[in-house]
Amino acid sequence: DTAVSQTPKYLVTQMGNDKSIKCEQNLGHDTMYWYKQDSKKFLKIMFSYNNKELIINETVPNRFSPKSPDKAHLNLHINSLELGDSAVYFCASSHQGNTEAFFGQGTRLTVV
Amino acid sequence: AQSVSQHNHHVILSEAASLELGCNYSYGGTVNLFWYVQYPGQHLQLLLKYFSGDPLVKGIKGFEAEFIKSKFSFNLRKPSVQWSDTAEYFCAVKENGGYNKLIFGAGTRLAVHP
Repeated sequence: DTAVSQTPKYLVTQMGNDKSIKCEQNLGHDTMYWYKQDSKKFLKIMFSYNNKELIINETVPNRFSPKSPDKAHLNLHINSLELGDSAVYFCASSHQGNTEAFFGQGTRLTVV
Repeated sequence: AQSVSQHNHHVILSEAASLELGCNYSYGGTVNLFWYVQYPGQHLQLLLKYFSGDPLVKGIKGFEAEFIKSKFSFNLRKPSVQWSDTAEYFCAVKENGGYNKLIFGAGTRLAVHP
């Protein structure tokens, strides 16, 4: 029973391509997130959705567009991929309020 | 803006040694505090959390952390580490009552040698 699942786990693509990463949670949470972990392991929030509504949008290039079709899903679409987009992207979910976040296994994106 | 500092970037210990990883945060209001662990090639898992009450919190696998409000610190401790504790450890802070935006420290890589 995977609580937060992401697909794919690995993604290797060429510069300029468009790609999507999918995330699903079966925990009944109302809030979902995307975090980026760079090559130095530094984790930074990108987006957060609460009940399908965007509530956090950090300084992220417009090439990144999250989409939440329902509370259990938060997908990340990236246009015109650049070398600097190479990172591990983590999806997470939680209840709104004072609760912890549960993380997915991450998607290692490599742009060549 | 909130920030989290983890002073030890890389720690190497022998099995059975005691561990203390430092974490300081900068935020004047009430916060929720977390320690997450990332084993090699795996996702982040919650070790322990502090929301309120007893400032000494116990987590999984024998870890504990102490919240010292006056020092803005939330250091992680374990009296005796094992080889299986080899991992990356992340301290994180969230504004109490705000959106669930976690601010992470840069992480501490712990290597435990048998």
